Amino acid sequence: DAKTTQPTSMDCAEGRAANLPCNHSTISGNEYVYWYRQIHSQGPQYIIHGLKNNETNEMASLIITEDRKSSTLILPHATLRDTAVYYCIVRSHGSSNTGKLIFGQGTTLQVKP
Amino acid sequence: EAGVTQFPSHSVIEKGQTVTLRCDPISGHDNLYWYRRVMGKEIKFLLHFVKESKQDESGMPNNRFLAERTGGTYSTLKVQPAELEDSGVYFCASSQVGPFAEAFFGQGTRLTVV
Repeated sequence: DAKTTQPTSMDCAEGRAANLPCNHSTISGNEYVYWYRQIHSQGPQYIIHGLKNNETNEMASLIITEDRKSSTLILPHATLRDTAVYYCIVRSHGSSNTGKLIFGQGTTLQVKP
Repeated sequence: EAGVTQFPSHSVIEKGQTVTLRCDPISGHDNLYWYRRVMGKEIKFLLHFVKESKQDESGMPNNRFLAERTGGTYSTLKVQPAELEDSGVYFCASSQVGPFAEAFFGQGTRLTVV
């Protein structure tokens, strides 16, 4: 699975959009971009995933560049409860993939009042 | 619907003792994964069960760790004998079969070896 690079930390004002970037320049054609987050003292939580089209769900939006070398997770109206470590993970859906997730260091998002 | 549950939530044991962690996946989820985070490090994959079979145990650190999933339902992870470096948070996750299946994580077990 391709490696990802994320900023170590970011701040965001409550109520504003949080835009979390991720670089995955070595991503291959059958690899998807996944985002998980871990709120303090909880297990990781799935947020969203995509291949090449932009995706949106009730939690967030995922914008993937046309060349797929980077993506941005957008939390449209961040709340204090969105303070967490956000992980960008690239994984394939091929038959050899067992579904395991390779976590990096992630981005610590601090939402401030 | 109950989520992934892990027992105990915290465990403090002495070096050399044995500890058994338990994970109850979401009912009907054939995939079960164990991960751990040791202090200051990233969350690392340990192993993966499909039903009762070990699909991938490439992340198991050494033979002091034994994972089982008898009957393909709950799973246990035993550490025997525990060492100081085993301290960390152990997470269990489960998912349905299929490449797009979302993995649901438990709250984790915080293990402290003193």
